Amino acid sequence: EPEVTQTPSHQVTQMGQEVILRCVPISNHLYFYWYRQILGQKVEFLVSFYNNEISEKSEIFDDQFSVERPDGSNFTLKIRSTKLEDSAMYFCASSAQGGGQPQHFGDGTRLSIL
Amino acid sequence: RKEVEQDPGPFNVPEGATVAFNCTYSNSASQSFFWYRQDCRKEPKLLMSVYSSGNEDGRFTAQLNRASQYISLLIRDSKLSDSATYLCVVNKGTGGSYIPTFGRGTSLIVHP
Repeated sequence: EPEVTQTPSHQVTQMGQEVILRCVPISNHLYFYWYRQILGQKVEFLVSFYNNEISEKSEIFDDQFSVERPDGSNFTLKIRSTKLEDSAMYFCASSAQGGGQPQHFGDGTRLSIL
Repeated sequence: RKEVEQDPGPFNVPEGATVAFNCTYSNSASQSFFWYRQDCRKEPKLLMSVYSSGNEDGRFTAQLNRASQYISLLIRDSKLSDSATYLCVVNKGTGGSYIPTFGRGTSLIVHP
């Protein structure tokens, strides 16, 4: 069964550094998403992406964050100047269609900011 | 009122039991609804979509009540492997652009 893959599985970074989290969505999917989950809290939507542009973003997704689809397979989340509170699990997801269709999640990148 | 609310539980039930969870949502314009399960420190996995007419998949039944703004999940004949956190997801939006909101999840523990 095709799956969403994320790398790295765990990233440890000093506060203030930039990080790039990588995702390879399911190959025939067109809609891509990033979420975060702080330990013990709920999954929070960050951003959705379709046709090489952001479709929606939440209040969390401020100027510190950016997304990119640099080639035909990767989908990245960049966090500039990381803060301690950015420590969380970051999930990438993809769906074949938009319109609120079910999404398939990758197994996440645990980001730890020191 | 929170956008999406779930009883955190835990619901502690014996194998073979029937258990039901509810999830309430505040935005009447919400368009689509899902149940996901999440195992400890793992990614959410789609369990089922929730339709106005209700839907069933084996031991799992999901219902939507738009008038009262809640969705439900019923699990029959619980298995040990059903132990997980069950996440309610509500999407609001129009056209191809939707914003998903997750509930905090309901923890289910199935014991022998």
